[in-house]
Amino acid sequence: DAGITQSPRHKVTETGTPVTLRCHQTENHRYMYWYRQDPGHGLRLIHYSYGVKDTDKGEVSDGYSVSRSKTEDFLLTLESATSSQTSVYFCAISYQGGNTEAFFGQGTRLTVV
Amino acid sequence: DQQVKQNSPSLSVQEGRISILNCDYTNSMFDYFLWYKKYPAEGPTFLISISSIKDKNEDGRFTVFLNKSAKHLSLHIVPSQPGDSAVYFCAASGNNNDMRFGAGTRLTVKP
Repeated sequence: DAGITQSPRHKVTETGTPVTLRCHQTENHRYMYWYRQDPGHGLRLIHYSYGVKDTDKGEVSDGYSVSRSKTEDFLLTLESATSSQTSVYFCAISYQGGNTEAFFGQGTRLTVV
Repeated sequence: DQQVKQNSPSLSVQEGRISILNCDYTNSMFDYFLWYKKYPAEGPTFLISISSIKDKNEDGRFTVFLNKSAKHLSLHIVPSQPGDSAVYFCAASGNNNDMRFGAGTRLTVKP
């Protein structure tokens, strides 16, 4: 199994509070991605990174920010959580980007109440 | 707008028969396509892929077909097995390497 760990695995938070999800990899892959999975929408790309300090927006980036200060860590931050951000979040890593297979973490179930 | 579309939310087939899962895309800049399989409470896992320079790729029971002019791809599973029951996601990528996924198709293979 690819060495990719998401933390926390489950979190319940209140509306308006900041939340940070962490993705940690031990594979030294260049590309890292954050997705959210919602019924009827599948997996939607939030942000992705193609190197340390190099990030770009995906299709549903509003309300989210990311940081990558080290190759192994990609952080997703909800500055002020809203109920619409209740979802399952998946991190993925890829050696060469979209032209190679990606490995996914186990997911983080976030509930905003 | 979702650039990768899987219009069938679910598919049910009998064990031993063929399963055909379909995927359409709108972005002509996509040049690499992948299929992932997902079981409940797990992350998706890679299944098979195809480059836009090919129209078919086969791996055991799994075959992916690509029709670039129609912007359509399909995944064939022959023969289908009960263990294949899962959600299947189609994904596409272009030269900026952001992978876009479809909404998924839930496949149920009945014994």
